[in-house]
Amino acid sequence: QVQLVESGGGVVQPGRSLRLSCVASGFTFNNNGVHWVRQAPGKGLEWVAVIWHDGSKEYYADSVEGRFTISRDNPKNTLYLQMNSLRAEDTAVYYCARDRGKYGWDAFDIWGQGTMVTVSS
Amino acid sequence: DIQMTQSPSTLSASVGDRVTITCRASQTITGWLAWYQQKPGKAPKLLIFQASSLDSGVPSRFSGSRSETEFTLTISSLQPDDFATYYCQHGWTFGQGTKVEIK
Repeated sequence: QVQLVESGGGVVQPGRSLRLSCVASGFTFNNNGVHWVRQAPGKGLEWVAVIWHDGSKEYYADSVEGRFTISRDNPKNTLYLQMNSLRAEDTAVYYCARDRGKYGWDAFDIWGQGTMVTVSS
Repeated sequence: DIQMTQSPSTLSASVGDRVTITCRASQTITGWLAWYQQKPGKAPKLLIFQASSLDSGVPSRFSGSRSETEFTLTISSLQPDDFATYYCQHGWTFGQGTKVEIK
């Protein structure tokens, strides 16, 4: 069964850090780019970051550049999002999503169930 | 940056209606546009990629088309399972979403 399963969400104070994980199964993980996409409560979808299939390139939304780091461990079929200096506006459900291609320019064909991150004092 | 403007933001329709949602790009783009369906509390689901290609398992009542900078998602005959929010996506930009409600 092709799937992505996120974990690591929770409640965190402003300025603190959190690391999200996304474990892939049912497909060859190193064949595809992978993204993080978030959705604030009651809002639309916001792309956060992408990493190429081999981990050689990463790109970030302006809103998280310099604070978030995307990475992947292909032998472990796992994607990560290290989130530092968290702000209230980072509160959202975070989804990992597989790109149809290797480099993150195509559609997102497989999504995880999402993990909730709440930034609050 | 390319902006994607989706309309309408809300649409009220009945079962059996033909429904059209539009996504307009701020400049000419390639055909790399996708459409997603999202239900409350669930992850988005890919419906259409490359403007008009149906993803695997998606009912044929969904279709996508392109004209210049305007992309359209059409549901030929709305079914009860289709009441949801729909998003377009180009590259790393999503449209604002269209909520399809029961009339």
